[in-house]
Amino acid sequence: SYELTQPPSVSVSPGQTASITCSGDKLGISYASWYQQRPGQSPVLVIFQDDKRPSEIPERFSGSRSGNTATLTISGTQAMDEADYYCLAWDISTLYVFGTGTKVTVL
Amino acid sequence: QVQLVESGGGVIQPGGSLRLSCVASGFTLTRYTMHWVRQAPGKGLEWVALISYDGHNRYYTDSVKGRLTISRDESKNTVYLQMDSLRPEDTALYSCARKISGIYAFDHWGQGTLVTVSS
Repeated sequence: SYELTQPPSVSVSPGQTASITCSGDKLGISYASWYQQRPGQSPVLVIFQDDKRPSEIPERFSGSRSGNTATLTISGTQAMDEADYYCLAWDISTLYVFGTGTKVTVL
Repeated sequence: QVQLVESGGGVIQPGGSLRLSCVASGFTLTRYTMHWVRQAPGKGLEWVALISYDGHNRYYTDSVKGRLTISRDESKNTVYLQMDSLRPEDTALYSCARKISGIYAFDHWGQGTLVTVSS
């Protein structure tokens, strides 16, 4: 089955930049979206179509994709950004696939 | 505003059945493809099923094919997930989500309803 691989955890100091990768061999032909999930809450869309940000999401969240790897970047990380982050991509055979998830800790 | 509210979860024995509901408000189902996503306790997100905006297409992840069925009632603006032959590995928080038109992303999610399959 199709898999999207993310690092299990990322640690970042307040005000610094956190980068989360999402790798999959079919990402080269599929857009990625990213979701933030704070403890006990539902996921929130933070990036879609690789690099587009919903209007209500702060500008410190950005996305990019190069080849088979999509990246979510949080610039000037704040304590409120501490959460789990998941990528999502679409594949013609398995349809929708979530990444394995990354726990972001703001130290 | 857009709201999704799930219900119908509970504790069920292996082999049993449940029907989950997702009541949508603030938009009409006939304009959006709707999905069910689940999250086992302490685990990641897993896509489960979708029903297209026109109701004609339904797709499932392999592990639930033949056991879970997605449907909708336009008059009630509600999406359902009929769950049969439940297994312990189906234990999870089940959430419905709305797909953005023309884009592979989900812009609104419900709070979810918990299904526990245990004897």
